[in-house]
Amino acid sequence: QQQVKQSPQSLIVQKGGISIINCAYENTAFDYFPWYQQFPGKGPALLIAIRPDVSEKKEGRFTISFNKSAKQFSLHIMDSQPGDSATYFCAANYASTLTFGKGTMLLVSP
Amino acid sequence: GAVVSQHPSRVICKSGTSVKIECRSLDFQATTMFWYRQFPKQSLMLMATSNEGSKATYEQGVEKDKFLINHASLTLSTLTVTSAHPEDSSFYICSAYRTPEGETQYFGPGTRLLVL
Repeated sequence: QQQVKQSPQSLIVQKGGISIINCAYENTAFDYFPWYQQFPGKGPALLIAIRPDVSEKKEGRFTISFNKSAKQFSLHIMDSQPGDSATYFCAANYASTLTFGKGTMLLVSP
Repeated sequence: GAVVSQHPSRVICKSGTSVKIECRSLDFQATTMFWYRQFPKQSLMLMATSNEGSKATYEQGVEKDKFLINHASLTLSTLTVTSAHPEDSSFYICSAYRTPEGETQYFGPGTRLLVL
């Protein structure tokens, strides 16, 4: 299965709060899991990525948690800011091809 | 970082005309580039994989005669939408892997196509 299931579809978080977006996959052959941030009318920009042999990766306010046995991974945005308001896509890579989740529209209220 | 550019950023054309979109890797060589299509508030849909010096590989359901892809150099891939119709209106985005093959796809800024 090539699907990557992403939830929630949309998310509203207060400024300073934690935003959490979850993804789940079926194909155990996936070997790389990036998260992309996309602003309206722009291309996706790589935010952070993780390999399946690592359980957690942190870069600034962004953290990926990876649970290989559950085939799930999540993005945590700490101290969420209005400038973080965007659509976030998780993805999974196999054979140089990315499979994307459906996206989460995040709104951080001031 | 790795920069990918697209040109034009937006184009409006009449139904029946052909439109060419360029994708360039500015600071790295890209053996493989990808073309995606994105409808409003939807995810990215892979259309085709473009390989330098060889024919593109199209995803199921994508008409190769309608969406012509040429990857003539290690820094340039082009997508030509032939005989465009209103249903081809969409946001087209390219991406590239840095060569030698890395793990990360770097995306261009996208091209908004509107067919009248």
